[in-house]
Amino acid sequence: GAVVSQHPSRVICKSGTSVKIECRSLDFQATTMFWYRQFPKQSLMLMATSNEGSKATYEQGVEKDKFLINHASLTLSTLTVTSAHPEDSSFYICSARQGGRANQPQHFGDGTRLSIL
Amino acid sequence: GQNIDQPTEMTATEGAIVQINCTYQTSGFNGLFWYQQHAGEAPTFLSYNVLDGLEEKGRFSSFLSRSKGYSYLLLKELQMKDSASYLCAVRANTNAGKSTFGDGTTLTVKP
Repeated sequence: GAVVSQHPSRVICKSGTSVKIECRSLDFQATTMFWYRQFPKQSLMLMATSNEGSKATYEQGVEKDKFLINHASLTLSTLTVTSAHPEDSSFYICSARQGGRANQPQHFGDGTRLSIL
Repeated sequence: GQNIDQPTEMTATEGAIVQINCTYQTSGFNGLFWYQQHAGEAPTFLSYNVLDGLEEKGRFSSFLSRSKGYSYLLLKELQMKDSASYLCAVRANTNAGKSTFGDGTTLTVKP
């Protein structure tokens, strides 16, 4: 159980394109979803936390207008990288957590490797 | 805020035991997680500790001392497939309970 599906797995596109990444919890309801960015050989950097039906909470230094997050249902959150540029190239990973109990781990999607030319 | 430290790299031999340490400083502690991440893949959950002591799960065990801000992940009977990055993450009791991740320890298992 506790499967999180992230799509697409890889995107290569031109500078200026907007890219949408989907994150779905397949067999549980995710009250909270998290979006991370990871550079090679570095740790996960939290970008934002989203709760279903409310606005996402962004970490300091993350541009809200650049990285649009929508958490429309308990099983789906989307991250849109608007007008992407080469510096936005990275590995983006979503995770979902069921419920609010402290012992609930985060279940991660397989990640999206974004390459902006 | 939260500050998490773990060694950058470790090397061990197949069949051996290895201990990966994690120290943390946090303003509000609500549990510590260990995750495994293979290169190019997303992390997978290994263990959770919120009370002091040892949690055993097959070849993997995790220990927590809240008073010392210290945890370790113990891997027994190492296999080549255990070569991966191991991430220590501390969950806060505020800010929607988000977890802060350490930089990870890259473990290389050699024959």
